[in-house]
Amino acid sequence: GESVGLHLPTLSVQEGDNSIINCAYSNSASDYFIWYKQESGKGPQFIIDIRSNMDKRQGQRVTVLLNKTVKHLSLQIAATQPGDSAVYFCAETGSGGSYIPTFGRGTSLIVHP
Amino acid sequence: KAGVTQTPRYLIKTRGQQVTLSCSPISGHRSVSWYQQTPGQGLQFLFEYFSETQRNKGNFPGRFSGRQFSNSRSEMNVSTLELGDSALYLCASSLRELSGGEQYFGPGTRLTVT
Repeated sequence: GESVGLHLPTLSVQEGDNSIINCAYSNSASDYFIWYKQESGKGPQFIIDIRSNMDKRQGQRVTVLLNKTVKHLSLQIAATQPGDSAVYFCAETGSGGSYIPTFGRGTSLIVHP
Repeated sequence: KAGVTQTPRYLIKTRGQQVTLSCSPISGHRSVSWYQQTPGQGLQFLFEYFSETQRNKGNFPGRFSGRQFSNSRSEMNVSTLELGDSALYLCASSLRELSGGEQYFGPGTRLTVT
């Protein structure tokens, strides 16, 4: 089956820097994408989502960009803080009317104070 | 508002046994989905229940089953446990059926099969 993957397994940044986490998806029929944050010992936490009819969506300190041409999704975190250290997952869903999510493997973000 | 709760948080079972995990969704949420998370396979969808009916099912063997009660609480059962069933089992709740909306995850149940 088709899958969602991440380019980098680990990303290390300094506090205050901007972070960019990337995700490639292969199912061009997916129409809804979600980013989750998972801290150690906790379940995934919804961060932001985007539908395929948009190419950018902003939240508080986070921005998701969707490039359907190259099937690429990214999460930008502005002014990264130590509390942002976690594993970040992208998920795709909505293909053929099914909203069962397919998750990427995750990127570990490490923020150094 | 209380979040999604899962019990127990940790469980150790022996191969061949069966196990039942419990999930209480956020009050008012009618959809509960279950996921398996392992280092090798990542996060994978097991099944979704909405109004006591299974609405979606992932690609897992029949040893994995679930149910939902009238108060939306859900249980999942794994029979004839195998070593490969060791994983973090997560449930997530949402107001509506899986339809592209936000899901809220619980902390998970860590199952170890020996």
